[in-house]
Amino acid sequence: AQSVTQLDSHVSVSEGTPVLLRCNYSSSYSPSLFWYVQHPNKGLQLLLKYTSAATLVKGINGFEAEFKKSETSFHLTKPSAHMSDAAEYFCVVHNNAGNMLTFGGGTRLMVKP
Amino acid sequence: ETGVTQTPRHLVMGMTNKKSLKCEQHLGHNAMYWYKQSAKKPLELMFVYNFKEQTENNSVPSRFSPECPNSSHLFLHLHTLQPEDSALYLCASSQDHLGPGLNTEAFFGQGTRLTVV
Repeated sequence: AQSVTQLDSHVSVSEGTPVLLRCNYSSSYSPSLFWYVQHPNKGLQLLLKYTSAATLVKGINGFEAEFKKSETSFHLTKPSAHMSDAAEYFCVVHNNAGNMLTFGGGTRLMVKP
Repeated sequence: ETGVTQTPRHLVMGMTNKKSLKCEQHLGHNAMYWYKQSAKKPLELMFVYNFKEQTENNSVPSRFSPECPNSSHLFLHLHTLQPEDSALYLCASSQDHLGPGLNTEAFFGQGTRLTVV
């Protein structure tokens, strides 16, 4: 079985300040992990993915995430928030021995001017 | 653009209507998915098709009927829906569906916003 917990349903930051969106997972097998972003009235867009290579993964739009096996975490960070980053973010785990994507509950990021 | 196209983008239907949602991908992917996204709930996997065969039905009510005529197209036929079925329905595709060691990512369409009145 696998599960994903996004620890914050809402995060609010000021423009230009760092972003931290937290994600913890559980998986019986060596997982692949993803972060997706969803802007209002849009589908989900892949930000970045971890697939058992480098533990620090860089994605689009300046986002990055670090896979920490000991902490079962895959937190998403960005050094400086931009207004266009306001969206909902989903942490996703793929069980490489199975066939399912499991989604976290999502974190809504708000960016204040 | 992700390469996955869903139509229509918005749909309003009565509880006695019959309608269909369409999803199309020309990415050469073999697996296609329907997800339901309701307010304040995690994404729910509804159906999975792999090489046109349904491999997963996640206890979805029979008023939702999927169809996959080929690897590029996926439909969701709707009939006698309930107001609680109002949601964003997302289609996704991935290169492959099964197999250990495969690092697969899903490409999502923009969704169909369904309102049942």
